[in-house]
Amino acid sequence: AQTVTQSQPEMSVQEAETVTLSCTYDTSESDYYLFWYKQPPSRQMILVIRQEAYKQQNATENRFSVNFQKAAKSFSLKISDSQLGDAAMYFCAYRSLRDIQGAQKLVFGQGTRLTINP
Amino acid sequence: ETGVTQTPRHLVMGMTNKKSLKCEQHLGHNAMYWYKQSAKKPLELMFVYNFKEQTENNSVPSRFSPECPNSSHLFLHLHTLQPEDSALYLCASSEQGLLGDNEQFFGPGTRLTVL
Repeated sequence: AQTVTQSQPEMSVQEAETVTLSCTYDTSESDYYLFWYKQPPSRQMILVIRQEAYKQQNATENRFSVNFQKAAKSFSLKISDSQLGDAAMYFCAYRSLRDIQGAQKLVFGQGTRLTINP
Repeated sequence: ETGVTQTPRHLVMGMTNKKSLKCEQHLGHNAMYWYKQSAKKPLELMFVYNFKEQTENNSVPSRFSPECPNSSHLFLHLHTLQPEDSALYLCASSEQGLLGDNEQFFGPGTRLTVL
């Protein structure tokens, strides 16, 4: 079974600075998807960014980018120019492609609580 | 209403009560999910419904009983719960596709407290 590990329960960063959240995963599969989800306080979880394992290029969405190291099974999230609205729980998630036509089964990490200091 | 909605947002129940959580998605998706979110633990997938058929039951105790009457509605019926069942219960939906990369959209959750 796949596992996802986020080793940083909490992180903090000064507004406008850059922060990197770590995620490692364990799998024997070669094709899969990885996701970062954001859960603001008392608000709904939303997708931040996704990465297909077969793509070598790191995904980027505005101020959010990932460092995907397939051999190391590492998938970190970098947030540039941090804003107060970035404060949230961030979850890393893994999606196997084995059951490609079935419903998605995401495996989540424990989450990292990010605080933005003004 | 847009997106994924859940009711109630907060629920306090005794161990002998019977209650139900409701989830509704307005996105035209064909897959729906129940997750349990406990403090300091990863989100746990409980149930998956694909085209109204249950395709996953992740070893969830029988005191949790899901129901999916149509592709837009999902219920979680609760009975004789334990205090350790207190958690945030999240509903999500997605559109199934061959590539399997479709985003899951989450509801706001129901904060459940079992006394």
